[in-house]
Amino acid sequence: GAGVSQTPSNKVTEKGKYVELRCDPISGHTALYWYRQSLGQGPEFLIYFQGTGAADDSGLPNDRFFAVRPEGSVSTLKIQRTERGDSAMYLCASSLTGIHNTEAFFGQGTRLTVV
Amino acid sequence: GQQVMQIPQYQHVQEGEDFTTYCNSSTTLSNIQWYKQRPGGHPVFLIQLVKSGEVKKQKRLTFQFGEAKKNSSLHITATQTTDVGTYFCAYSGAGSYQLTFGKGTKLSVIP
Repeated sequence: GAGVSQTPSNKVTEKGKYVELRCDPISGHTALYWYRQSLGQGPEFLIYFQGTGAADDSGLPNDRFFAVRPEGSVSTLKIQRTERGDSAMYLCASSLTGIHNTEAFFGQGTRLTVV
Repeated sequence: GQQVMQIPQYQHVQEGEDFTTYCNSSTTLSNIQWYKQRPGGHPVFLIQLVKSGEVKKQKRLTFQFGEAKKNSSLHITATQTTDVGTYFCAYSGAGSYQLTFGKGTKLSVIP
């Protein structure tokens, strides 16, 4: 596609529920990143995929968070037993090669609200 | 872990005035990137700097990377209302694919 696409754009869920956030990267981009951004803060790294594998998941806050990218394109971020503290904007980004000095293209994000 | 400090946190300027934001690290950075995020929008890549003392210009924007590669700055000449947004610096460590962001400088331009 023309850019990174994230769905849904907004998600409101009840505490304790399970949610899935989807990211469709730019076609041909092998690297995919998930970030979380709270109000007034910079994006916080969660996980990085190179192809189908999670090359770096050190930013995932705990085992309630999991992400997959089974075919090396679309990625899904999964959050189990959601907590109010999980409320944030979840941003996905992709880049052509994933080498650290290449430009990252961000999607519009999914705003998650846990009530 | 390694962090970058961005100053100021907020800046209000009159349209036509200049604006500068600074990004400071206690350790040497292999590279620095700058992003702009408009209100309600997502971060958009502006530039990457990798060389000591590097200076790059994009129209009214001037980006610098310090000689010691510990500091960077973004300077906007004669601000316009379209410059409104939050400017983030970000870096990736050697051997790491994480892009770590500063907290940003929020720029308001008064017409």
